Amino acid sequence: NAGVTQTPKFQVLKTGQSMTLQCAQDMNHNSMYWYRQDPGMGLRLIYYSASEGTTDKGEVPNGYNVSRLNKREFSLRLESAAPSQTSVYFCASSVGVGQPQHFGDGTRLSIL
Amino acid sequence: QKEVEQDPGPLSVPEGAIVSLNCTYSNSAFQYFMWYRQYSRKGPELLMYTYSSGNKEDGRFTAQVDKSSKYISLFIRDSQPSDSATYLCAMSPILTGGGNKLTFGTGTQLKVEL
Repeated sequence: NAGVTQTPKFQVLKTGQSMTLQCAQDMNHNSMYWYRQDPGMGLRLIYYSASEGTTDKGEVPNGYNVSRLNKREFSLRLESAAPSQTSVYFCASSVGVGQPQHFGDGTRLSIL
Repeated sequence: QKEVEQDPGPLSVPEGAIVSLNCTYSNSAFQYFMWYRQYSRKGPELLMYTYSSGNKEDGRFTAQVDKSSKYISLFIRDSQPSDSATYLCAMSPILTGGGNKLTFGTGTQLKVEL
């Protein structure tokens, strides 16, 4: 049972580099989400996709873009990485918005 | 003030103890309440979810909701070292419908000692 799969698991970037984080789910869920988790800040929603073909901003969208490639896949792109984007990024999916979410194991991203 | 408040801990208890983890919230529209467990270097894992007020039990875990006080709790009986993790509460106004996302607490770190 794969559930939600995130790649890569770890990445180190230099300031100004770009990168795409990949996420795929095999639970036939309609909604997908990207969060960042920082010490003392909890989970903060970056972007979400309520259903295939739609995306919306969350709490902290600046500096990020997303693509809902199909029902299974939802990617997060950093166009010009900044040290403030050093974080652990989690992808999640749910049957619908507001319903219990299922998380991947995260991508640990360091930006120097 | 945050919509959901959760004591970050750390909370350290001896093996076999009863653990009480709590969240308070300010949005009276919240109807659905969830608890997640997050092990170090892993993603959050859904433990329990409940609707409105009352109790729900699953093995050693009991989730309790008091909407009048805007207060939810997770009780862990006979705690084990394997329960050592961060526990996050989450809540939502309704389970279906567009635009109603989950609001998470910041998590309480629990350590169960031998």
